[in-house]
Amino acid sequence: GQQLNQSPQSMFIQEGEDVSMNCTSSSIFNTWLWYKQDPGEGPVLLIALYKAGELTSNGRLTAQFGITRKDSFLNISASIPSDVGIYFCAGQPNSNFNKFYFGSGTKLNVKP
Amino acid sequence: ETGVTQTPRHLVMGMTNKKSLKCEQHLGHNAMYWYKQSAKKPLELMFVYNFKEQTENNSVPSRFSPECPNSSHLFLHLHTLQPEDSALYLCASSQKYGQGALYEQYFGPGTRLTVT
Repeated sequence: GQQLNQSPQSMFIQEGEDVSMNCTSSSIFNTWLWYKQDPGEGPVLLIALYKAGELTSNGRLTAQFGITRKDSFLNISASIPSDVGIYFCAGQPNSNFNKFYFGSGTKLNVKP
Repeated sequence: ETGVTQTPRHLVMGMTNKKSLKCEQHLGHNAMYWYKQSAKKPLELMFVYNFKEQTENNSVPSRFSPECPNSSHLFLHLHTLQPEDSALYLCASSQKYGQGALYEQYFGPGTRLTVT
């Protein structure tokens, strides 16, 4: 079945550093969403992308819908301790409009 | 209250117990979802309700029984669970389901379930 490969699985960075994570699929996707989940809470939507090549920002977060439509990237600039959490990608394949898939998450740790 | 709420936040139950999880959304959405989140695994979609009708059941064991009395409320009835069912159960809602678009889903805080 369809899988989303999200990498890296975890990251340990210093406060102030920039962070980059990505999600790839084996097939073309129509939509990419990025979520953040804090410990003990549900995922919160950060950014939604609907067009190939689209670049969207939300504060220090920037996400891009890959031009091949098989990947998406999330960048966090100048990380701060409250960026700690798990970041998930989610996407909808072009082949089936009624299905969507989640990545397994990137766990971000920020050292003050 | 706003957003998506879930109760209880934590639940410990024995394998012979019967319990229910409750979800309520105040966003005016028409689709609601149950997910299971286990450690180091992707979110597993369990059930989808669109306009109160169940549209997806992803091969979930019958010991999990969903109920959607209206578009704002969703329940997950639990009975004779197994220890491997211990996980975070998340409820989500979206404006619609399917119809050619991945509608943005808004999640509740989850119920941490432990089966002993």
